[in-house]
Amino acid sequence: QKEVEQNSGPLSVPEGAIASLNCTYSDRGSQSFFWYRQYSGKSPELIMFIYSNGDKEDGRFTAQLNKASQYVSLLIRDSQPSDSATYLCAPVSWAGSYQLTFGKGTKLSVIP
Amino acid sequence: DTAVSQTPKYLVTQMGNDKSIKCEQNLGHDTMYWYKQDSKKFLKIMFSYNNKELIINETVPNRFSPKSPDKAHLNLHINSLELGDSAVYFCASSQGTSGGAGETQYFGPGTRLLVL
Repeated sequence: QKEVEQNSGPLSVPEGAIASLNCTYSDRGSQSFFWYRQYSGKSPELIMFIYSNGDKEDGRFTAQLNKASQYVSLLIRDSQPSDSATYLCAPVSWAGSYQLTFGKGTKLSVIP
Repeated sequence: DTAVSQTPKYLVTQMGNDKSIKCEQNLGHDTMYWYKQDSKKFLKIMFSYNNKELIINETVPNRFSPKSPDKAHLNLHINSLELGDSAVYFCASSQGTSGGAGETQYFGPGTRLLVL
């Protein structure tokens, strides 16, 4: 059973602060990872894709991957109230075909 | 232009009824998916089709039957609806089967099913 663990939150940060979202996964075979954002009542939308160990930056978002520790994180710099949403971690795993296994998500609340 | 569309957006029905949800993507993707998101917001894959062929069939009741008439469409038919079927059902599509960025999934707006 492939497991993806995320702190469900809510994680509350003040506006302008750095939000740090963490994810651990059980499948050592996972080589690439997605972060999705889901606003309440909406569908998930892609934030980041990462496959190499280390950091990947895209605007205010930085994804960090450590395959040895089976850990992937998402940092949001200069957090804005519009960042308030649930963030879903999704490693790519193989089960006869590639599929995304979603974590339960971390709910982020950015306080103005 | 909507990339992944679903109909209907809302579905309220009685226990025991049969209903269908339709999904269409205009992204030219080869792979389509059905997910269920329950009240606890857990997003769980149900089925996946690649070029009209079923490739992922997770443990779901056989009351749920997907059908893919062509690679741009994936429908979900549910027989004998139960209270526990109440959830949001998302359709998604992706281009690749390479394990990399091509696995990026694009989601439809969801169908909110309520079984009374």
